[in-house]
Amino acid sequence: SAVISQKPSRDICQRGTSLTIQCQVDSQVTMMFWYRQQPGQSLTLIATANQGSEATYESGFVIDKFPISRPNLTFSTLTVSNMSPEDSSIYLCSVGYGGSTDTQYFGPGTRLTVL
Amino acid sequence: GESVGLHLPTLSVQEGDNSIINCAYSNSASDYFIWYKQESGKGPQFIIDIRSNMDKRQGQRVTVLLNKTVKHLSLQIAATQPGDSAVYFCAENNDSGYALNFGKGTSLLVTP
Repeated sequence: SAVISQKPSRDICQRGTSLTIQCQVDSQVTMMFWYRQQPGQSLTLIATANQGSEATYESGFVIDKFPISRPNLTFSTLTVSNMSPEDSSIYLCSVGYGGSTDTQYFGPGTRLTVL
Repeated sequence: GESVGLHLPTLSVQEGDNSIINCAYSNSASDYFIWYKQESGKGPQFIIDIRSNMDKRQGQRVTVLLNKTVKHLSLQIAATQPGDSAVYFCAENNDSGYALNFGKGTSLLVTP
């Protein structure tokens, strides 16, 4: 399985500011995804990070609010822009090596609190 | 979109007993299912997966059962230990085939 790290592990931010979360994998992966987990809730897919092209966003999530980069096969960033308290969540990066029936592995998450 | 859901939000078992966590899914086109364990303050940890061409798969102390007829998935944990206390999520591959739709989660509490 992949070893996935995320930075920062947690942060407390003021409303109106932006935070960029980094996801680093120890091996090249085909797929990278970003999920959000609101307090006490399940995981919701934000977007698929595509290498060399724009991310694919799920319904309810837009690029202006959650810009994503994926410059290579081991790294991706998610920015949470113009934050409000409703953005307080755990943000999780996951990776997969291949097709639709391949396992996904998750990073430790970034716990974000917006005041 | 279609959803994956769980029957029981919490489950309390005694150490040494067997645990069964259930999950209902609604997307008949899903062909891949995963169970994850999430401990407090950590990311989801892969436990076991199953493809739709199977109805049972066993791991170390865990078994996943898939009933496609009634769209039901279950996770069985044998001889449950205190370290098994966590939230368990089922997930299915979504309409794109690559990302996952997660169920609501079941909190498993193992008591001595």
